[in-house]
Amino acid sequence: EPEVTQTPSHQVTQMGQEVILRCVPISNHLYFYWYRQILGQKVEFLVSFYNNEISEKSEIFDDQFSVERPDGSNFTLKIRSTKLEDSAMYFCARGSSGRGVTDTQYFGPGTRLTVL
Amino acid sequence: AQTVTQSQPEMSVQEAETVTLSCTYDTSESNYYLFWYKQPPSRQMILVIRQEAYKQQNATENRFSVNFQKAAKSFSLKISDSQLGDTAMYFCAFMRANSGYALNFGKGTSLLVTP
Repeated sequence: EPEVTQTPSHQVTQMGQEVILRCVPISNHLYFYWYRQILGQKVEFLVSFYNNEISEKSEIFDDQFSVERPDGSNFTLKIRSTKLEDSAMYFCARGSSGRGVTDTQYFGPGTRLTVL
Repeated sequence: AQTVTQSQPEMSVQEAETVTLSCTYDTSESNYYLFWYKQPPSRQMILVIRQEAYKQQNATENRFSVNFQKAAKSFSLKISDSQLGDTAMYFCAFMRANSGYALNFGKGTSLLVTP
């Protein structure tokens, strides 16, 4: 099944700057997720998003993070004031059918964020 | 909280041979789902296989199969007829059936397939 596309593929930013990472679904799905992977570490859940609302978030997803679907298509993750430790690969994933909690999640190619 | 443990940080196998990657998990849930994802050097996360906990039959996808032992909370991945393209990090993941849908990943096993 097609996954999602993510832009940009690589983002370099200065500490303290805001970044917006974008996820574009191939077709219309209701469930979206953001994960991050610090280099050499495991993939960590950030937030899940259903029908334009956050359905679950981890302790990592603090006030510097926000998600939205501004135009009903793109799904964005905003990091308000980046820190060095935000440097990671950020993955967007979508549910396979949008029908329920048992959806298999399919990942996009990721955005590599580097904070200097 | 659920924990997923992959006790083999690195493994190596020769082409055409069979290899088994281990995964154990800890949960008090009775209904859940287990997955194996592959991450090649490109860092794309690719679904390999999925297992529903309520199913006794082990899932199979071509050369990939699992050994799901619910009582032992074990979920190993067997790769048969290993190919060079199987070289990747392999992550085991757990998902509660009625949750906010988060995947909980293990730390991964780096598999190297040699000629």
